[in-house]
Amino acid sequence: QKEVEQNSGPLSVPEGAIASLNCTYSDRGSQSFFWYRQYSGKSPELIMSIYSNGDKEDGRFTAQLNKASQYVSLLIRDSQPSDSATYLCAVKDGAAGNKLTFGGGTRVLVKP
Amino acid sequence: SAVISQKPSRDICQRGTSLTIQCQVDSQVTMMFWYRQQPGQSLTLIATANQGSEATYESGFVIDKFPISRPNLTFSTLTVSNMSPEDSSIYLCSVRLDTYEQYFGPGTRLTVT
Repeated sequence: QKEVEQNSGPLSVPEGAIASLNCTYSDRGSQSFFWYRQYSGKSPELIMSIYSNGDKEDGRFTAQLNKASQYVSLLIRDSQPSDSATYLCAVKDGAAGNKLTFGGGTRVLVKP
Repeated sequence: SAVISQKPSRDICQRGTSLTIQCQVDSQVTMMFWYRQQPGQSLTLIATANQGSEATYESGFVIDKFPISRPNLTFSTLTVSNMSPEDSSIYLCSVRLDTYEQYFGPGTRLTVT
């Protein structure tokens, strides 16, 4: 059973601070990793994808990947109350096709 | 990305009945998927909807319970059959575009009484 693990939170951060979210995965063959944001009552929205070791930045978001440690993280800089949501880590199956395995999600609360 | 719509957005159904959920995409896509998100839980893949062939189901999901159709490259349906309260969930379709990224529809919130 391939697993994706996240701390469920809530992760409480003050407005303007950096939120740091972590995700570990069990499938060593995985090559593609994704972060989704899900507001309460809404469907997941893709915010970042990362395929290579290192950092990838997009606006206030930075994804970090370390395949040797089977670890992917998401940093949210200058956190805003609108960033309050559940963040889902998803890992593409390394062996077969197109399946994504999702972590349980980390709930983030940004306090003004 | 793609514009994805689902119908219905929500429904309340009686146990023993069936509900068909529709997913429409504004462009042709090769890969479409159906997920379930139970209350307070993460997403679980039900099946991959293959155009022109039978859907590929994940462990724990069977065609008799969740029949899927994929008549063309822009449309798919998921039927939840012989429903029980345990089927109360949000059902989401997603599409994969040229990369491995998947984009989700707005979801269908199903309550079974």
